[in-house]
Amino acid sequence: QSALTQPPSASGSPGQSVTISCTGTSSDVGGYNYVSWYQQHPGKAPKVMIYEVSKRPSGVPDRFSGSKSGNTASLTVSGLQAEDEADYYCSSYAGITHVVFGGGTKLTVL
Amino acid sequence: QVQLQESGPGLVKPSETLSLTCTVSGGSISGYYWSWIRQPPGKGLEWIGYIYYNGNTNYNPSLESRVTISVDTSKNQFSLKLTSVTAADTAVYYCARHDGRAQDYWGQGTLVTVSS
Repeated sequence: QSALTQPPSASGSPGQSVTISCTGTSSDVGGYNYVSWYQQHPGKAPKVMIYEVSKRPSGVPDRFSGSKSGNTASLTVSGLQAEDEADYYCSSYAGITHVVFGGGTKLTVL
Repeated sequence: QVQLQESGPGLVKPSETLSLTCTVSGGSISGYYWSWIRQPPGKGLEWIGYIYYNGNTNYNPSLESRVTISVDTSKNQFSLKLTSVTAADTAVYYCARHDGRAQDYWGQGTLVTVSS
């Protein structure tokens, strides 16, 4: 069982928006602004899409955005494109445990 | 451009020790944390631990009794040792750089199978 809870799947049609949630506790997501999101295509290494809750690394489209409320972080993908179909993982700093991941969400573009 | 490459045996026998090395190129190992993360086939990511360039380590409590991560700054490499492996340790093992905010560079991953 993963430390952070994500829905196993999410979907949307091209052009639509989809939001993926990541629920933790006050010891991880709720306690620190160090939530990151990773995109993983099949057979590939993960790629960071969001760090520090809502910041985008250089080169990541602004269609990807992050937010947090209490113990739940969210990743929103706007203007869905076919290439956004992938697995998405959230991660948080967790104090003494340091790093925890969510179980992952498979995003399907219909 | 920073690049990371994992190397080591792809097959390890049960009860033996898994050993992997990650070679960093295109940048210095100094000033960053260096992580090991694994992914069992068809499953999610699990953080194993990381090492700061000065040798300070932090491990996943669930693996801490079996894990050792070390760094060799002269070779721009860091390594993972996991003892007493079982089939549950079969996974793709990734090395990654942690810049204090997120894992920003990753290796391509290497599959390690535990089987006799």
